[in-house]
Amino acid sequence: QKEVEQDPGPLSVPEGAIVSLNCTYSNSAFQYFMWYRQYSRKGPELLMYTYSSGNKEDGRFTAQVDKSSKYISLFIRDSQPSDSATYLCAISQGNLIFGKGTKLSVKP
Amino acid sequence: DAMVIQNPRYQVTQFGKPVTLSCSQTLNHNVMYWYQQKSSQAPKLLFHYYDKDFNNEADTPDNFQSRRPNTSFCFLDIRSPGLGDAAMYLCATSRDSRGIEKLFFGSGTQLSVL
Repeated sequence: QKEVEQDPGPLSVPEGAIVSLNCTYSNSAFQYFMWYRQYSRKGPELLMYTYSSGNKEDGRFTAQVDKSSKYISLFIRDSQPSDSATYLCAISQGNLIFGKGTKLSVKP
Repeated sequence: DAMVIQNPRYQVTQFGKPVTLSCSQTLNHNVMYWYQQKSSQAPKLLFHYYDKDFNNEADTPDNFQSRRPNTSFCFLDIRSPGLGDAAMYLCATSRDSRGIEKLFFGSGTQLSVL
């Protein structure tokens, strides 16, 4: 089993939709969970990070961690065409372990 | 303001011909990383420097080498590129190497091997 699993999509939604992106992980010792956004032909940029279980909100974005299920989620409310990108979950155990990324397309 | 700069953006090389990719940073961060990202794949850490201390990932092929002559610059050398080395190479920096540190990525160098 890979350490971080992420459905690569692609995921296509209409503008204004609520988007749910998810990852699962295998090692219960992981403590820091991050979401990076990568636009086409660009490097990833940190979107959000969380520590321990619970929710963290930043504008239209909410990151959720369920340690009991080893499941992390990123929700995007009122999605915009500018949100079209690949979203990578990342889990830290010293170095970051990235998921494959989910390619999201938000159609006007 | 560009903070992590990679050159060139696109690099074409021939099978077996050595190639060097460069990265510079204006953040004065201690740690610099090189990642390899193939299409629709997760970025894969090749190695990183904490200051001048080099840390190689166990599964990084010997074909890949790195140099960090000073805080600002880091180079990735591929001694004999194969077709399987065609990928996006991402340089990143962080202030420290603790797990929670934010990574700052460059825009990457897309390497093609003919």
